Amino acid sequence: NAGVTQTPKFQVLKTGQSMTLQCAQDMNHEYMSWYRQDPGMGLRLIHYSVGAGITDQGEVPNGYNVSRSTTEDFPLRLLSAAPSQTSVYFCASNRGGGDEQFFGPGTRLTVL
Amino acid sequence: KQEVTQIPAALSVPEGENLVLNCSFTDSAIYNLQWFRQDPGKGLTSLLLIQSSQREQTSGRLNASLDKSSGRSTLYIAASQPGDSATYLCAVRRGAQKLVFGQGTRLTINP
Repeated sequence: NAGVTQTPKFQVLKTGQSMTLQCAQDMNHEYMSWYRQDPGMGLRLIHYSVGAGITDQGEVPNGYNVSRSTTEDFPLRLLSAAPSQTSVYFCASNRGGGDEQFFGPGTRLTVL
Repeated sequence: KQEVTQIPAALSVPEGENLVLNCSFTDSAIYNLQWFRQDPGKGLTSLLLIQSSQREQTSGRLNASLDKSSGRSTLYIAASQPGDSATYLCAVRRGAQKLVFGQGTRLTINP
């Protein structure tokens, strides 16, 4: 199993551009999540999904959009990038709500 | 609001020592607690998961304990090695999918 994979590893955007961060898992997990990690702030939940077609907001959802059309994929869309979205983004998955969560390697995003 | 605190923020010890990392949380109504390890520039690796009904979990040289009533968890590392150097994060789960993370303890094991 590849586990949780994320692309790209690095990305530089200009303010106002849009982009999609890709996340996929091959463990047949129902639950998937997106976090951002910032110095001094720790990891914070952006959006999560408890199954295909079901998504919900986390702690810091503004400026981000998600959808879940398949069990395997959970892309994160930045609609109009801002410098405040410069961060490291992690995707995670788990089998059920109380189960161990597995993380991808992260995407380092810089918005100029 | 659930808050998770890890003290100290950084710890440096010589190789071979046994050590304890601390995690405290403000709301005891948790589903479980998970310990992670993060190497510089990398993702998080899950170490141990303790359900709210459990008192401890063990994996190799690692032992994690949970005391819900006092809002505390500890991660015990036996016979530390330079390869254990990393940042250790604890996270508590409240709600279906809401993990709340501490800021982490940056551990350095000196050869």
